[in-house]
Amino acid sequence: DIQMTQSPSTLSASVGDRVTITCRASQSISSWLAWYQQKPGKAPKLLIYKASSLESGVPSRFSGSGSGTEFTLTISSLQPDDFATYYCQQYNSYRFGGGTKVEIK
Amino acid sequence: QVQLVQSGAEVKKPGASVKVSCKASGYTFTSYDINWVRQATGQGLEWMGWMNPNSGNTGYAQKFQGRVTMTRNTSISTAYMELSSLRSEDTAVYYCARGSYYYGSGSYYKGSDYWGQGTLVTVSS
Repeated sequence: DIQMTQSPSTLSASVGDRVTITCRASQSISSWLAWYQQKPGKAPKLLIYKASSLESGVPSRFSGSGSGTEFTLTISSLQPDDFATYYCQQYNSYRFGGGTKVEIK
Repeated sequence: QVQLVQSGAEVKKPGASVKVSCKASGYTFTSYDINWVRQATGQGLEWMGWMNPNSGNTGYAQKFQGRVTMTRNTSISTAYMELSSLRSEDTAVYYCARGSYYYGSGSYYKGSDYWGQGTLVTVSS
């Protein structure tokens, strides 16, 4: 079973900062990776699919990159609405990463 | 618009079973898998399995094999997830989410783009 490791688990940042979250797979998953944003008490929201494709309606400050075993989610300029927890998910066994909480510095 | 509407909160005793429903609207129910994901309070997302509403085929995470059953009623565009032999560790919010899209002889998964509102299942004696 492919394991997904996200880092960091918590990230403190300020509005306007560039933020990068990493997700590593225990074996190659090609580009079969999605990123989600979740706010407290809400269902997750799909941001990025197939590692780098932006879901419709998602602001362009979000971007994804990577292939094989290492992937990144980047927020180019953090906005107040972006403070949330982010998860990666691989498509092979649908396992999620452990999550990264982005909090206000 | 696409919607997935789940049944209400449940309180169950250890050893009992729970059945959560997920009613789909705004798209062709049989064209997309339904995935089930759960989240314990303060914890991460845990994928439980998928179901193809057209064929009824299912795939379950190893952790839940033997305890989970995913079914559907296509006449009312509703998917169901039943979890048996409940224990306190099963206390969580359970989500349904749209999964793989089927076209012709192929399928495509781009991630779960629509989610239900979640159903809190509490297991307590």
